[in-house]
Amino acid sequence: DGGITQSPKYLFRKEGQNVTLSCEQNLNHDAMYWYRQDPGQGLRLIYYSQIVNDFQKGDIAEGYSVSREKKESFPLTVTSAQKNPTAFYLCASSRSYNQPQHFGDGTRLSIL
Amino acid sequence: AQKVTQAQTEISVVEKEDVTLDCVYETRDTTYYLFWYKQPPSGELVFLIRRNSFDEQNEISGRYSWNFQKSTSSFNFTITASQVVDSAVYFCALSEAYGGSQGNLIFGKGTKLSVKP
Repeated sequence: DGGITQSPKYLFRKEGQNVTLSCEQNLNHDAMYWYRQDPGQGLRLIYYSQIVNDFQKGDIAEGYSVSREKKESFPLTVTSAQKNPTAFYLCASSRSYNQPQHFGDGTRLSIL
Repeated sequence: AQKVTQAQTEISVVEKEDVTLDCVYETRDTTYYLFWYKQPPSGELVFLIRRNSFDEQNEISGRYSWNFQKSTSSFNFTITASQVVDSAVYFCALSEAYGGSQGNLIFGKGTKLSVKP
């Protein structure tokens, strides 16, 4: 079945550690996105990529990094510079901008 | 600046009641898109509908209907004869067709709907 796969489902980070969240899609979508969701809040855009080898910062990019070396993959690294990383992270993809975005099941990141 | 407001933080209804979720948006673009997503307790977001700014026709899909009114910048969502499975957080979102952030979704904070048997 076509879809978006995020892994792991739960992730724990130690102080000073970088962690990488995986996002893979087999929908042949050009655009991919990373969002952060905090309790009782809407989603906020971290990074997005409209095409391979290109990505742009969203509203809250500080402390995060991404790469887009393959169309199917858009991993997100939460660096030690992100002082409040505990949140629910959602990856999405769409055929192109302004098309409906399809979401993965999310990764819940916590601090040890 | 663009903004989406969902004034209802939580709504609780009894099964079979009708319920309307409000969404008010702000944008300076004349071409934009509006979306509704459902987030069940499992966490993933499920796409429900997309409307463009030139299409003000109301839409009905089964028990779901949407009322888009540009005059009041609103895109409200009604569930008829609600069911327990409708319990979820519902998000309204806006994307603009032009400008530096074209295509990016601006989300409201969501409305948590609880449908009790």
